[in-house]
Amino acid sequence: EIVLTQSPGTLSLSPGERVTLSCRASQFVSNSYFAWYQQKAGQAPRLLIYGASTRATGVPERFSGGGSGTDFTLTISRLEPEDFAVYYCQQYGSPPNSFGQGTKLEI
Amino acid sequence: EVQLVESGGDLVRPGGSLRLSCAASGFTFSRHWMYWVRQAPGKGLVWVSRIYSDGTTTEYADSVKGRFTTSRDNVKDMLYLELNSLRAEDTAVYFCGRAAMITVGSVIATPIDYWGPGTMVTVSS
Repeated sequence: EIVLTQSPGTLSLSPGERVTLSCRASQFVSNSYFAWYQQKAGQAPRLLIYGASTRATGVPERFSGGGSGTDFTLTISRLEPEDFAVYYCQQYGSPPNSFGQGTKLEI
Repeated sequence: EVQLVESGGDLVRPGGSLRLSCAASGFTFSRHWMYWVRQAPGKGLVWVSRIYSDGTTTEYADSVKGRFTTSRDNVKDMLYLELNSLRAEDTAVYFCGRAAMITVGSVIATPIDYWGPGTMVTVSS
């Protein structure tokens, strides 16, 4: 099973700042099978990035994904108030699929 | 408009059983893999299961293998999760999700592009 470890667990930031979230896999993950999600309190998750770097429909350009192999990143170039949420990485290749434990962005 | 709506969540005793349903609409259900993902109160997302478009292949997390069964009805556009031998640690909101089925070169990418609002399962005596 591929274990995804996200860091840091919580980040305290201000609107307008740039942030990069990290997700490390315990073994190789093809870029084709890697995604990032955003979840706000009381809501279902929302797909942000798939294929490691492709933005999902309607996702603002300030969100970008990068990395390969075992190290992946999600960068938000300029935080908006609505971006403060929990972010999860996921590998959806070979089963069992897995999610990271999440990184919480707080104001 | 794509819609997924889960139902069937309830309070159940340890060792008990439950059947969750997910009603799909607004897309061609039979063309998409489908997922179950759960989230314990205050915790992160946990992948539970995935089923292929035709229902012939199902995959499970080790923690539920042998106890949970995923199935689908492509005529009724319904996804199901049968939960047996329930434990306290199965307490969670259960989400169903649609796989995007995006062709990228020779690969079909299957991230979860639509999610239902979830249904709560509580396992307690």
